[in-house]
Amino acid sequence: DAGVTQSPTHLIKTRGQQVTLRCSPKSGHDTVSWYQQALGQGPQFIFQYYEEEERQRGNFPDRFSGHQFPNYSSELNVNALLLGDSALYLCASSLVAGEQYFGPGTRLTVT
Amino acid sequence: AQSVTQLDSQVPVFEEAPVELRCNYSSSVSVYLFWYVQYPNQGLQLLLKYLSGSTLVKGINGFEAEFNKSQTSFHLRKPSVHISDTAEYFCAVINAGNNRKLIWGLGTSLAVNP
Repeated sequence: DAGVTQSPTHLIKTRGQQVTLRCSPKSGHDTVSWYQQALGQGPQFIFQYYEEEERQRGNFPDRFSGHQFPNYSSELNVNALLLGDSALYLCASSLVAGEQYFGPGTRLTVT
Repeated sequence: AQSVTQLDSQVPVFEEAPVELRCNYSSSVSVYLFWYVQYPNQGLQLLLKYLSGSTLVKGINGFEAEFNKSQTSFHLRKPSVHISDTAEYFCAVINAGNNRKLIWGLGTSLAVNP
């Protein structure tokens, strides 16, 4: 079992650009959650996807959007990047009512 | 709504000494509680969790935690730490009836010195 995988591992973008981050859940899991972890902070919940729909959303602007595919993998899209979007983006997978398993994260740097 | 407070931002300790990392939570509903560890430049790894049953839970790497409902605490302990335990530790809670988003503390940086 490969566990939760994320790509890319690192990414550098400039202000105003758009970025797409990808996540493949642990085998058998149907729910994907995304978190943003700024340097020196705890993770902050962005949103959660189940059955290809956004089930719940944290306090993030509409620039942050996502998608879940029929194979349960997920994408996080961020438009009009700001310097403050620089962070580690973590994906977690779970069964709909189960423990969340985290991937290694994608480190996004916005210059 | 739930919230989590980790009472110590940094905990320095010598190798083989005991350690306790403190976590308090606030919630109007039943919650599940978790401790995660994050090594430098890595993702989050689950150390242990409390869902129900015995209030003393044992996790990986020799860590344990005790759920105290009256004090709304879930402190993490290890009787003897190693250099390799140096990492960031996060306490998190989730609504037991609506298992959607984890609410996190700000983390405690554990530094184990020789």
